[in-house]
Amino acid sequence: GAVVSQHPSRVICKSGTSVKIECRSLDFQATTMFWYRQFPKQSLMLMATSNEGSKATYEQGVEKDKFLINHASLTLSTLTVTSAHPEDSSFYICSAREQEVSDTQYFGPGTRLTVL
Amino acid sequence: GQQVMQIPQYQHVQEGEDFTTYCNSSTTLSNIQWYKQRPGGHPVFLIQLVKSGEVKKQKRLTFQFGEAKKNSSLHITATQTTDVGTYFCAGGGAGGFKTIFGAGTRLFVKA
Repeated sequence: GAVVSQHPSRVICKSGTSVKIECRSLDFQATTMFWYRQFPKQSLMLMATSNEGSKATYEQGVEKDKFLINHASLTLSTLTVTSAHPEDSSFYICSAREQEVSDTQYFGPGTRLTVL
Repeated sequence: GQQVMQIPQYQHVQEGEDFTTYCNSSTTLSNIQWYKQRPGGHPVFLIQLVKSGEVKKQKRLTFQFGEAKKNSSLHITATQTTDVGTYFCAGGGAGGFKTIFGAGTRLFVKA
């Protein structure tokens, strides 16, 4: 089956620093990748939709200058949390959709971000 | 805007009992997907339903897509402790590709 990797799995950083999270589709090409944030015991909150070679589409209420998304290739999207603050601590999960195949999303293992 | 409601929020069952979670959309869906997330894990794709009235089975799991393509259900027969986790439905909007996730149903199974 389709595999999506995410790196790092855990990161602890100081307030004010920036953190980059990578999402890779390992065995398929993903024209579209999605970034979600998940709070404990809650559902997935879509932050943005990332299309290869174009600007990401951010959901209402998500600051695009704070959560920078780059989808440089059909297998890689990155999320950079800039000037992180403790309230940004969360579980960030990416997913990828196979190019023009279906709406099925394959999720990465997630990144646990803790901002001190 | 489009909303996907999922009930119940939690379900406690005794091992061997059946379990059902329901998903309802405010708009007609092009498809619906179901995912399972184990505690501490990430969502894993289970199935996608596309056709009106479609029913699919995976061993003890039965998935249904309503005739109007606005609701869906996941039924687990004779639950096992390995079924523990949160089950999410995700509705794909007609004419577009934006997928909206339900809030999830968290299943607890007591041995």
